[in-house]
Amino acid sequence: GDSVTQMEGPVTLSEEAFLTINCTYTATGYPSLFWYVQYPGEGLQLLLKATKADDKGSNKGFEATYRKETTSFHLEKGSVQVSDSAVYFCALPLGYSSASKIIFGSGTRLSIRP
Amino acid sequence: DAGVTQSPTHLIKTRGQQVTLRCSPKSGHDTVSWYQQALGQGPQFIFQYYEEEERQRGNFPDRFSGHQFPNYSSELNVNALLLGDSALYLCASTGTSFNEQFFGPGTRLTVL
Repeated sequence: GDSVTQMEGPVTLSEEAFLTINCTYTATGYPSLFWYVQYPGEGLQLLLKATKADDKGSNKGFEATYRKETTSFHLEKGSVQVSDSAVYFCALPLGYSSASKIIFGSGTRLSIRP
Repeated sequence: DAGVTQSPTHLIKTRGQQVTLRCSPKSGHDTVSWYQQALGQGPQFIFQYYEEEERQRGNFPDRFSGHQFPNYSSELNVNALLLGDSALYLCASTGTSFNEQFFGPGTRLTVL
């Protein structure tokens, strides 16, 4: 069935380091793909999305490219900040409407050292 | 706009008890989904309500039930609580003219 597998954490980096969090998916059809972020004590926020193969989603310096050939959607940032410390979830909506059920990966906790 | 709000923030119950969690969707939203997020895991879909009816359901037992009111707010009820029901319960809302779901901060349920 449809699923999302993402890199296990926790990941600890120094400020200004390069970040990659790996995500691969299994899905029927050609779904959209999302990255959500969960800051301490807050709900999930949509960080970025891509709606078709080869699309690049970007927001707040984060980027992810939808790669159909490798079924991947890796999250990257060139220079992380302490404020990026959070849990990141790769996610797969099972449909094309905003109300579609979403399958989430297990999450990757990111900690950034000053 | 207050966004998606949930109450209570935290709740402690004992095994066998029943619990009701509440969610108010973002203004203009008519669809509410509930997710369970166990510690260290990603959220799992419980069910979704639209027009006061359950529209989709995930792989959760019948102990989990819900309701949606005419003002689009929603409740999640869990009967006969088990230790394994301890989790963060997230509510998400959206509407037909919106292109994403918005999540509330969640209710942390602890079952002792």
